Amino acid sequence: ETGVTQSPTHLIKTRGQQVTLRCSSQSGHNTVSWYQQALGQGPQFIFQYYREEENGRGNFPPRFSGLQFPNYSSELNVNALELDDSALYLCASSLGASGASDTQYFGPGTRLTVL
Amino acid sequence: KNQVEQSPQSLIILEGKNCTLQCNYTVSPFSNLRWYKQDTGRGPVSLTIMTFSENTKSNGRYTATLDADTKQSSLHITASQLSDSASYICVVSAIGGTGGGNKLTFGTGTQLKVEL
Repeated sequence: ETGVTQSPTHLIKTRGQQVTLRCSSQSGHNTVSWYQQALGQGPQFIFQYYREEENGRGNFPPRFSGLQFPNYSSELNVNALELDDSALYLCASSLGASGASDTQYFGPGTRLTVL
Repeated sequence: KNQVEQSPQSLIILEGKNCTLQCNYTVSPFSNLRWYKQDTGRGPVSLTIMTFSENTKSNGRYTATLDADTKQSSLHITASQLSDSASYICVVSAIGGTGGGNKLTFGTGTQLKVEL
Protein backbone atom coordinates (compact mmCIF):
# COMPACT_ATOMS: atom_id res chain seq x y z
CA GLU A 1 0.00 0.00 0.00
CA THR A 2 1.11 3.57 -0.71
CA GLY A 3 -0.17 5.17 2.49
CA VAL A 4 -2.43 7.47 0.50
CA THR A 5 -6.16 7.09 1.08
CA GLN A 6 -9.16 8.52 -0.73
CA SER A 7 -12.84 8.77 0.08
CA PRO A 8 -15.38 7.85 -0.95
CA THR A 9 -14.45 4.89 -3.14
CA HIS A 10 -17.53 5.27 -5.32
CA LEU A 11 -19.97 8.10 -5.83
CA ILE A 12 -23.01 8.68 -8.03
CA LYS A 13 -24.22 12.20 -8.76
CA THR A 14 -26.55 13.86 -11.25
CA ARG A 15 -25.79 16.61 -13.72
CA GLY A 16 -25.54 20.06 -12.18
CA GLN A 17 -24.72 18.82 -8.70
CA GLN A 18 -21.54 19.56 -6.79
CA VAL A 19 -19.13 16.97 -5.38
CA THR A 20 -16.22 16.95 -2.91
CA LEU A 21 -13.61 14.21 -3.05
CA ARG A 22 -11.09 13.74 -0.26
CA CYS A 23 -7.51 12.55 -0.07
CA SER A 24 -5.19 11.87 2.82
CA SER A 25 -1.52 12.04 1.84
CA GLN A 26 1.45 10.33 3.39
CA SER A 27 2.59 12.13 6.50
CA GLY A 28 5.32 14.61 5.65
CA HIS A 29 4.39 14.84 1.98
CA ASN A 30 3.93 18.50 1.17
CA THR A 31 2.73 18.08 -2.40
CA VAL A 32 -0.55 16.62 -3.57
CA SER A 33 -1.63 16.29 -7.18
CA TRP A 34 -5.07 15.43 -8.51
CA TYR A 35 -5.75 13.54 -11.73
CA GLN A 36 -8.79 12.57 -13.75
CA GLN A 37 -8.66 9.19 -15.46
CA ALA A 38 -11.33 8.31 -17.99
CA LEU A 39 -11.93 4.66 -18.79
CA GLY A 40 -9.11 3.24 -20.90
CA GLN A 41 -7.09 6.44 -20.75
CA GLY A 42 -4.06 7.62 -18.83
CA PRO A 43 -4.49 10.07 -15.95
CA GLN A 44 -4.91 13.74 -16.87
CA PHE A 45 -3.40 16.32 -14.53
CA ILE A 46 -5.94 18.61 -12.87
CA PHE A 47 -3.85 20.62 -10.40
CA GLN A 48 -1.21 20.42 -7.74
CA TYR A 49 -0.87 21.93 -4.28
CA TYR A 50 2.31 22.53 -2.32
CA ARG A 51 1.98 23.57 1.31
CA GLU A 52 -1.63 24.67 0.86
CA GLU A 53 -0.99 26.79 -2.23
CA GLU A 54 -1.89 25.79 -5.79
CA ASN A 55 1.34 25.68 -7.79
CA GLY A 56 0.31 24.07 -11.04
CA ARG A 57 -2.84 23.52 -13.06
CA GLY A 58 -3.79 21.49 -16.12
CA ASN A 59 -6.42 22.22 -18.75
CA PHE A 60 -9.46 21.98 -16.52
CA PRO A 61 -12.14 24.68 -16.10
CA PRO A 62 -12.48 26.74 -12.92
CA ARG A 63 -15.38 24.60 -11.70
CA PHE A 64 -12.63 22.18 -10.66
CA SER A 65 -11.12 23.59 -7.48
CA GLY A 66 -9.13 22.28 -4.59
CA LEU A 67 -7.88 22.77 -1.09
CA GLN A 68 -4.95 21.40 0.85
CA PHE A 69 -4.86 21.40 4.64
CA PRO A 70 -1.97 21.45 7.11
CA ASN A 71 -2.76 17.89 8.24
CA TYR A 72 -1.78 16.46 4.81
CA SER A 73 -5.38 16.08 3.69
CA SER A 74 -6.81 17.67 0.59
CA GLU A 75 -10.04 18.08 -1.34
CA LEU A 76 -11.10 18.21 -4.95
CA ASN A 77 -14.34 20.09 -5.55
CA VAL A 78 -16.27 19.94 -8.80
CA ASN A 79 -19.23 22.24 -9.39
CA ALA A 80 -21.97 21.99 -11.99
CA LEU A 81 -21.20 18.36 -12.78
CA GLU A 82 -21.34 17.24 -16.40
CA LEU A 83 -21.70 13.74 -17.81
CA ASP A 84 -18.10 13.85 -19.05
CA ASP A 85 -16.89 14.30 -15.48
CA SER A 86 -17.55 10.60 -14.94
CA ALA A 87 -14.11 9.13 -14.27
CA LEU A 88 -11.69 7.75 -11.71
CA TYR A 89 -10.20 10.62 -9.70
CA LEU A 90 -6.75 9.98 -8.33
CA CYS A 91 -4.69 11.91 -5.87
CA ALA A 92 -0.96 11.47 -5.52
CA SER A 93 1.36 12.75 -2.84
CA SER A 94 5.07 13.45 -3.01
CA LEU A 95 7.70 14.83 -0.73
CA GLY A 96 9.09 17.90 -2.45
CA ALA A 97 7.76 20.98 -4.18
CA SER A 98 7.97 19.49 -7.63
CA GLY A 99 6.01 16.33 -8.25
CA ALA A 100 7.89 15.88 -11.48
CA SER A 101 11.15 14.77 -9.91
CA ASP A 102 9.82 13.05 -6.82
CA THR A 103 8.19 9.65 -6.70
CA GLN A 104 4.43 10.11 -6.54
CA TYR A 105 2.38 7.80 -4.37
CA PHE A 106 -1.13 7.35 -5.68
CA GLY A 107 -4.28 6.69 -3.73
CA PRO A 108 -6.79 4.03 -4.81
CA GLY A 109 -9.02 6.61 -6.47
CA THR A 110 -12.66 7.66 -6.27
CA ARG A 111 -14.93 6.41 -9.03
CA LEU A 112 -17.39 9.20 -9.86
CA THR A 113 -20.43 8.51 -12.03
CA VAL A 114 -22.53 11.42 -13.25
CA LEU A 115 -26.02 10.54 -14.47
CA LYS B 1 3.36 19.02 -27.94
CA ASN B 2 4.61 16.54 -25.35
CA GLN B 3 3.38 13.04 -26.10
CA VAL B 4 3.88 9.52 -24.80
CA GLU B 5 2.91 6.59 -27.00
CA GLN B 6 2.73 3.05 -25.68
CA SER B 7 2.54 -0.25 -27.50
CA PRO B 8 0.99 -2.66 -27.72
CA GLN B 9 -2.35 -1.36 -26.51
CA SER B 10 -3.12 -4.78 -25.04
CA LEU B 11 -1.32 -8.08 -24.65
CA ILE B 12 -2.22 -11.60 -23.56
CA ILE B 13 0.52 -14.01 -22.49
CA LEU B 14 0.73 -17.36 -20.74
CA GLU B 15 1.89 -17.59 -17.17
CA GLY B 16 5.63 -18.05 -16.94
CA LYS B 17 6.36 -16.32 -20.23
CA ASN B 18 8.30 -13.08 -20.65
CA CYS B 19 7.02 -9.94 -22.34
CA THR B 20 8.23 -6.48 -23.30
CA LEU B 21 6.19 -3.31 -23.36
CA GLN B 22 7.26 -0.26 -25.34
CA CYS B 23 7.10 3.47 -24.70
CA ASN B 24 8.07 6.23 -27.15
CA TYR B 25 8.01 9.85 -26.11
CA THR B 26 8.49 13.33 -27.47
CA VAL B 27 8.63 15.10 -24.11
CA SER B 28 11.26 17.80 -23.94
CA PRO B 29 13.34 18.81 -22.10
CA PHE B 30 13.49 15.36 -20.57
CA SER B 31 13.79 14.92 -16.80
CA ASN B 32 12.84 11.35 -15.99
CA LEU B 33 10.73 8.41 -17.09
CA ARG B 34 8.62 6.22 -14.83
CA TRP B 35 6.73 3.01 -15.23
CA TYR B 36 3.63 2.43 -13.16
CA LYS B 37 1.47 -0.67 -12.66
CA GLN B 38 -2.22 -0.01 -12.27
CA ASP B 39 -4.60 -2.75 -11.21
CA THR B 40 -8.20 -2.32 -12.34
CA GLY B 41 -9.99 0.26 -10.21
CA ARG B 42 -6.86 1.04 -8.20
CA GLY B 43 -4.31 3.82 -8.20
CA PRO B 44 -1.01 3.41 -10.10
CA VAL B 45 1.96 2.01 -8.20
CA SER B 46 5.48 3.06 -9.13
CA LEU B 47 7.73 0.32 -10.55
CA THR B 48 10.80 2.22 -11.73
CA ILE B 49 12.02 5.76 -12.28
CA MET B 50 14.98 6.56 -14.56
CA THR B 51 16.83 9.78 -15.23
CA PHE B 52 18.68 10.77 -18.39
CA SER B 53 21.91 9.03 -17.35
CA GLU B 54 20.34 5.68 -16.48
CA ASN B 55 20.01 2.99 -19.14
CA THR B 56 18.41 0.27 -17.11
CA LYS B 57 16.73 -0.24 -13.77
CA SER B 58 15.29 -3.37 -12.23
CA ASN B 59 12.62 -4.01 -9.64
CA GLY B 60 12.30 -7.73 -9.05
CA ARG B 61 10.98 -9.34 -12.23
CA TYR B 62 10.53 -5.93 -13.85
CA THR B 63 13.39 -4.39 -15.83
CA ALA B 64 13.06 -1.01 -17.51
CA THR B 65 15.43 0.32 -20.15
CA LEU B 66 15.85 3.83 -21.44
CA ASP B 67 17.42 5.14 -24.64
CA ALA B 68 17.35 8.91 -24.28
CA ASP B 69 18.80 9.38 -27.76
CA THR B 70 15.96 7.62 -29.54
CA LYS B 71 13.46 8.61 -26.81
CA GLN B 72 12.37 5.05 -26.24
CA SER B 73 11.85 2.96 -23.15
CA SER B 74 10.83 -0.61 -22.58
CA LEU B 75 9.53 -2.57 -19.62
CA HIS B 76 10.48 -6.24 -19.59
CA ILE B 77 8.57 -8.64 -17.37
CA THR B 78 10.23 -11.96 -16.65
CA ALA B 79 8.48 -15.19 -15.71
CA SER B 80 5.05 -13.58 -15.69
CA GLN B 81 2.53 -14.35 -12.96
CA LEU B 82 -1.25 -14.07 -12.90
CA SER B 83 -0.88 -11.09 -10.56
CA ASP B 84 0.99 -9.20 -13.28
CA SER B 85 -2.34 -8.72 -15.07
CA ALA B 86 -2.78 -4.95 -15.00
CA SER B 87 -2.32 -1.77 -17.00
CA TYR B 88 1.29 -0.57 -17.30
CA ILE B 89 1.63 3.16 -17.72
CA CYS B 90 4.68 5.05 -18.94
CA VAL B 91 5.02 8.59 -17.55
CA VAL B 92 7.59 11.08 -18.77
CA SER B 93 8.56 14.21 -16.89
CA ALA B 94 9.94 17.43 -18.38
CA ILE B 95 12.19 19.99 -16.77
CA GLY B 96 11.11 23.55 -16.08
CA GLY B 97 7.90 25.48 -15.67
CA THR B 98 5.95 25.99 -12.49
CA GLY B 99 4.40 23.19 -10.54
CA GLY B 100 5.09 19.51 -10.84
CA GLY B 101 2.12 17.81 -12.36
CA ASN B 102 2.07 20.06 -15.39
CA LYS B 103 5.36 18.54 -16.46
CA LEU B 104 4.17 14.93 -16.33
CA THR B 105 2.89 13.36 -19.53
CA PHE B 106 1.11 10.02 -19.15
CA GLY B 107 0.79 7.32 -21.76
CA THR B 108 -2.54 5.56 -22.15
CA GLY B 109 -1.07 2.29 -20.90
CA THR B 110 -0.65 -1.28 -22.09
CA GLN B 111 -3.27 -3.65 -20.75
CA LEU B 112 -1.55 -6.94 -19.90
CA LYS B 113 -3.43 -10.13 -19.20
CA VAL B 114 -1.60 -13.22 -17.96
CA GLU B 115 -3.45 -16.49 -18.43
CA LEU B 116 -2.93 -20.07 -17.28
